[in-house]
Amino acid sequence: DGGITQSPKYLFRKEGQNVTLSCEQNLNHDAMYWYRQDPGQGLRLIYYSQIVNDFQKGDIAEGYSVSREKKESFPLTVTSAQKNPTAFYLCASSIPSLVTGELFFGEGSRLTVL
Amino acid sequence: GQNIDQPTEMTATEGAIVQINCTYQTSGFNGLFWYQQHAGEAPTFLSYNVLDGLEEKGRFSSFLSRSKGYSYLLLKELQMKDSASYLCAVTDSNYQLIWGAGTKLIIKP
Repeated sequence: DGGITQSPKYLFRKEGQNVTLSCEQNLNHDAMYWYRQDPGQGLRLIYYSQIVNDFQKGDIAEGYSVSREKKESFPLTVTSAQKNPTAFYLCASSIPSLVTGELFFGEGSRLTVL
Repeated sequence: GQNIDQPTEMTATEGAIVQINCTYQTSGFNGLFWYQQHAGEAPTFLSYNVLDGLEEKGRFSSFLSRSKGYSYLLLKELQMKDSASYLCAVTDSNYQLIWGAGTKLIIKP
């Protein structure tokens, strides 16, 4: 079945460590996104990519990095520079235009800093 | 600034009808989405409105008034499985999605 796979589902990190969250999709979507979700807040955009080898910062990109070497893959690295990384991270994909397209989300990755 | 407001939490009874409101103030408007999110899971698409009026899809309907910056999601014949958070999101003039914080809906037997 087509969909988006995120891994790991749960991740624990010590302060000062970088961690990478995986996101793979087989929907043949050009656009991919990373969101962060905190309790009581709306989804906040970290990074997005409309095409391979290109990506743009979202509203809260500081302390994060991404790559888009393949259409299917859009990994997110949470660096030690991210001051408050404990959150639920969601990867999504869509056809490039959001005018009529919907977002398809992965199951999410919950990161906890110890 | 851009803002989307939804009630934080609502409670309803199984079999009843509930209306979840969403008001928005954004720089431009290119459509409004409703998503459902069960606890600890990913959001799933429910509806999309770009023109004024009511869109019906089974037990769920979504209404939009662009002049009032207002939408609602109507859920009929509530089932226990409808217990979830409902997220309202608006696409602004730059085609960026702005998300509300979500409304947690609790269904009681």
